[in-house]
Amino acid sequence: AQSVTQLDSQVPVFEEAPVELRCNYSSSVSVYLFWYVQYPNQGLQLLLKYLSGSTLVESINGFEAEFNKSQTSFHLRKPSVHISDTAEYFCAVSLSGGYQKVTFGTGTKLQVIP
Amino acid sequence: GAVVSQHPSRVICKSGTSVKIECRSLDFQATTMFWYRQFPKQSLMLMATSNEGSKATYEQGVEKDKFLINHASLTLSTLTVTSAHPEDSSFYICSASAGGRGQPQHFGDGTRLSIL
Repeated sequence: AQSVTQLDSQVPVFEEAPVELRCNYSSSVSVYLFWYVQYPNQGLQLLLKYLSGSTLVESINGFEAEFNKSQTSFHLRKPSVHISDTAEYFCAVSLSGGYQKVTFGTGTKLQVIP
Repeated sequence: GAVVSQHPSRVICKSGTSVKIECRSLDFQATTMFWYRQFPKQSLMLMATSNEGSKATYEQGVEKDKFLINHASLTLSTLTVTSAHPEDSSFYICSASAGGRGQPQHFGDGTRLSIL
């Protein structure tokens, strides 16, 4: 079975500073990887995903994540954060064979400080 | 595209009441829908997976008779919390997928259930 570890429960960062949210996964087979964002009292929104191909994937709002197979990581980065990026971020993994069941990490709360 | 509507957004009711939550995919056909429960400051816990027209598959520890799931069409799934008690109070989130490799899950905005 696959698993996801997000070591940082909270990450405070000043506005316009860079940020990295860490995600490591464990699986004996190939996987798909996702980052979701959750704003207060809302559902999750897909931020970006890695299925295959280029190991660097980007979102439309400036986030990017890099799939590193040797380190089994999929860290999320942004070079300059905004106040509006304050939210909870969840890393998730699913098996690449048939998809469907997704395992979520415990989440990282990104707090952008003005 | 890929909008999932969840209704109601908030429910407050007395202990013993049954509560139904609807999850609709508005602009795509969802072959599979998922129901999650999220406790405060925790991740999502998958409760069950439902495929249109068949019985839901429940995760270990989730009571089937307590959480009734129906997925009668490609755009609608419902979760009914039967005889709800205060310990059932939580944030319930549904998601829907069109199926196929790499298709992400699209989430509803969740339902805050409070049982008095």
